[in-house]
Amino acid sequence: GNSVTQMEGPVTLSEEAFLTINCTYTATGYPSLFWYVQYPGEGLQLLLKATKADDKGSNKGFEATYRKETTSFHLEKGSVQVSDSAVYFCALLGGSQGNLIFGKGTKLSVKP
Amino acid sequence: DTAVSQTPKYLVTQMGNDKSIKCEQNLGHDTMYWYKQDSKKFLKIMFSYNNKELIINETVPNRFSPKSPDKAHLNLHINSLELGDSAVYFCASSASPGGARETQYFGPGTRLLVL
Repeated sequence: GNSVTQMEGPVTLSEEAFLTINCTYTATGYPSLFWYVQYPGEGLQLLLKATKADDKGSNKGFEATYRKETTSFHLEKGSVQVSDSAVYFCALLGGSQGNLIFGKGTKLSVKP
Repeated sequence: DTAVSQTPKYLVTQMGNDKSIKCEQNLGHDTMYWYKQDSKKFLKIMFSYNNKELIINETVPNRFSPKSPDKAHLNLHINSLELGDSAVYFCASSASPGGARETQYFGPGTRLLVL
């Protein structure tokens, strides 16, 4: 079945460091891919998405490219801020019934 | 205006009680979902309704019963609450199910603690 694997956290970085959070998926066909972010004590917010191979999603300085050859959708940001501290979830749209299948989440802590 | 709202935000109750969580979306979407986030932050689909019709019913105890009085509302009723039901429950909506470009919009979550 469809699944998402993302790197285990927590990830701790200093402000202005480069961020990569790895995400790979297993799916039939070419599902849409998403990154959601959950700030402390809050709900999930869509960060970015890509709906077909080679698409690049971007938002708030974050980017991820849909790579079908490596079945990956890694999240990157060139210079993180303290305000980026949150849990990041990679997800795919799992089939015709439309539910999202999530990875286990990666907690990011950014220190000043 | 909140796009997807849930009430209550926090719910603390005793084992064995029955409780309901309500969800409303003002996006004009046809499809609504309930997801459960466990203590390790893992998120998993529970139910989905499209235009008031149940389309996804994952392996969830039958103590959980969703109800959709209209396509803007999806409520979750839980009977005989157990300790293991403690979690954060998220409601979400999308314009339609399964479309390749669909984005799901999430509510703020309901934090349920069963004592």
